[in-house]
Parts: sequence; C-alpha cells; structure tokens
Amino acid sequence: GQNIDQPTEMTATEGAIVQINCTYQTSGFNGLFWYQQHAGEAPTFLSYNVLDGLEEKGRFSSFLSRSKGYSYLLLKELQMKDSASYLCAVRARGQNFVFGPGTRLSVLP
Amino acid sequence: DTEVTQTPKHLVMGMTNKKSLKCEQHMGHRAMYWYKQKAKKPPELMFVYSYEKLSINESVPSRFSPECPNSSLLNLHLHALQPEDSALYLCASSQGGSGTDTQYFGPGTRLTVL
Repeated sequence: GQNIDQPTEMTATEGAIVQINCTYQTSGFNGLFWYQQHAGEAPTFLSYNVLDGLEEKGRFSSFLSRSKGYSYLLLKELQMKDSASYLCAVRARGQNFVFGPGTRLSVLP
Repeated sequence: DTEVTQTPKHLVMGMTNKKSLKCEQHMGHRAMYWYKQKAKKPPELMFVYSYEKLSINESVPSRFSPECPNSSLLNLHLHALQPEDSALYLCASSQGGSGTDTQYFGPGTRLTVL
C-alpha cells in the first residue's frame, strides 16, 4: 500500500518563504510530483522529482530524498495569489498517481 | 499546448437520469484518467486508459462507465447516481510512456446529484 502525509494547513506572510513537507511510504517509487490547486479549479503541475536533490523553477523549488521518503516544496517571495492547496503526488506502479491529502496555504498581507 | 478540455462545466442530474461527461486532449497523449474530488480532499483515481485500453479500474461502482472512443477522447457515462456522487470530476492526460509522464488536468465538471 501507499501512505502519503502532508500538513493540513499552513499560513505565511506575503514576501516570506514557506516550506511544505511531504512524507511517503510506497513501493516501486517512480517519481514525486507537486501540484497547485486553487479552490474550485483543476490542479496545475508545478514540479517533478525522481532523483535525490533540489529542482528549482523560478520562485518554486522542490527537494527529494528517496532514502527518507521525504520531499518538500519551497515557495519564495510569497504572493497573495499563492494562496491555494498544494498536492504532493507519488507515482508508484505503472501510471497510477496517489495524491497526498494536500496542504492549504494561506498567504496573509 | 497543455490543454485538456472538459464538458460540461456544471451538471445537475436526478438519480434516475443518464448523462455523460466528456474530456478531450490534442497533445498526442496516450494515457487518460478520470478522478473524483470531494471538497477539501485530494483527487481520487477512478480509471486509467492507456493506448485506448482500460488499464486501471479502482473498484468504481458500475453506475460509472468509462469509454475511450479514440486516443483524444474520454467519456464517463453516468447512470443511477447517488447524492454522495456529487463531486468535481477531473480528467487528466499524460504521454503514457517513460520519463516524467506528467499528468495535465482539465478544468473539471462540477456534478450535483439530486
């Protein structure tokens, strides 16, 4: 089976940096994805990690440690529009995605 | 172009109705997916089509019937639904091969069952 865990909610201030953690237990690991989802909208792809280390894309970075079953999404220079849910998803066997519970981030002025 | 389209955007149906949700992509992706998402919950995988063949059915009740007429289209036929089936239904597609195989999501259909 697969188990993915994320904090339920986080709050941060505009302009700050926030780190959203994701821990997972799965078999046949084949990649970890981060998605952003605004309320009532579809998830949009942010980043993908399959090897250990940091992937940077503008204000967003994602880190993976396969030995620890751990990833984080780092958001820098937070903006109000970053208020959303952030979903960690693990691809285990074949094309089967399993999503974590999601972290609702609120960015305050 | 990473667009997946879904119709309709909103659907209200009674428990005796038959309706269909439609999904389309023109990215040449060979894998397509249906997810169900309840409020404040993550998407739950329902079905996966790979090269137009059903490859995963996550124990979904038979009142949901998927169909993949061709590699660009994916339908979800609905019949005799229950109020608890009210949710956001998301379609996604991916290349279906090796590599990142990122899934791209459509905007979803908001379904209400009365």
